[in-house]
Amino acid sequence: ETGVTQTPRHLVMGMTNKKSLKCEQHLGHNAMYWYKQSAKKPLELMFVYSLEERVENNSVPSRFSPECPNSSHLFLHLHTLQPEDSALYLCASSQESGTDIGYRQYFGPGTRLTVL
Amino acid sequence: QKEVEQNSGPLSVPEGAIASLNCTYSDRGSQSFFWYRQYSGKSPELIMSIYSNGDKEDGRFTAQLNKASQYVSLLIRDSQPSDSATYLCAVPYDYKLSFGAGTTVTVRA
Repeated sequence: ETGVTQTPRHLVMGMTNKKSLKCEQHLGHNAMYWYKQSAKKPLELMFVYSLEERVENNSVPSRFSPECPNSSHLFLHLHTLQPEDSALYLCASSQESGTDIGYRQYFGPGTRLTVL
Repeated sequence: QKEVEQNSGPLSVPEGAIASLNCTYSDRGSQSFFWYRQYSGKSPELIMSIYSNGDKEDGRFTAQLNKASQYVSLLIRDSQPSDSATYLCAVPYDYKLSFGAGTTVTVRA
């Protein structure tokens, strides 16, 4: 256990559904991240929240909507997804200090998303 | 040009041998480098970090850094079947952590 939990672990949804992914970190970190991992591709950073403010959007489609209500919780709201959005979605957290982004990241177990 | 490049493998080595994984990066100003291990169906976990040129050893793992050549490697000595995983090289780039596609290692018993 890394101290980062994600729910659900598996999700199957239709293209018209709305669902949310949840991430919680118990490490006292001040930065949280959403990544997308597709087969044979590098991890793609989707969103970064530092001190509960979004600092990185990375040109993610608007059908993905993040929410960070506090430093321990992170959500990814999904609506009208496409089959190509099927992937493993990973949450991570880190501790930033000063101007240094937290490069030591601790990952949750991920949510395996399938869009039909 | 990709920010971080790795040999995708798969790399197959016999048990007890040395597995050598390579990573090159594009940002000459990078100062810190990380290796993550990802077992099949699991999430990445940090196993090594290196900041200075030369070698850094941690148990059976050795990270090697050559900033002039923009090259970082990971050696796994006395490879065990439990080392079978995908190894991700990560380098800070543009104020975020940029990952390579990973090298899949299979250790044959």
